[in-house]
Amino acid sequence: DAKTTQPPSMDCAEGRAANLPCNHSTISGNEYVYWYRQIHSQGPQYIIHGLKNNETNEMASLIITEDRKSSTLILPHATLRDTAVYYCIVSPMNRDDKIIFGKGTRLHILP
Amino acid sequence: GAVVSQHPSWVICKSGTSVKIECRSLDFQATTMFWYRQFPKQSLMLMATSNEGSKATYEQGVEKDKFLINHASLTLSTLTVTSAHPEDSSFYICSARAQGREKLFFGSGTQLSVL
Repeated sequence: DAKTTQPPSMDCAEGRAANLPCNHSTISGNEYVYWYRQIHSQGPQYIIHGLKNNETNEMASLIITEDRKSSTLILPHATLRDTAVYYCIVSPMNRDDKIIFGKGTRLHILP
Repeated sequence: GAVVSQHPSWVICKSGTSVKIECRSLDFQATTMFWYRQFPKQSLMLMATSNEGSKATYEQGVEKDKFLINHASLTLSTLTVTSAHPEDSSFYICSARAQGREKLFFGSGTQLSVL
């Protein structure tokens, strides 16, 4: 079973920041927090990942709480192309460890 | 960056035929690949873990004789849906991790439609 809980859907106005929450209260010390997104009929696309520090890349920022039990993905300036299902996943970084997907959050960017 | 290539992108077949889907890691070696299935408006469901040179590990409820997985080289895994039926129609996705890399890379998926 997935170890994460996300709201099923969210709306965000175009140009505003989209903040997507994720709860992972049973995360283990060796597990990373990963975020992927899936646009309709495509394979999931990697966004960002982190262990305990906040992370930022060209796509998004990841804020992880100090107790690591929850995190927030931030898309700073949402565009219509960011409409997708966003998946928060926790997994060790070992190559052979499988990744189990939860239901994700369906993000609608409103024009 | 690392790329996973999946082929074909879509396939339509008659009931009772077998369909093979290929998953290749283009610029890295993948001793382990993962196969997922996704039905409309649902999340990805892990079907099996493909291990190079050994038998695949199937998730509970996935028929190993129905979904044959072969991982004959470090860059290629194949999923064969045997004697396909309309209920096997789904979006199939493969993924792999490069050694020492923390990201899991996904193929673009294969839409299977069984008539």
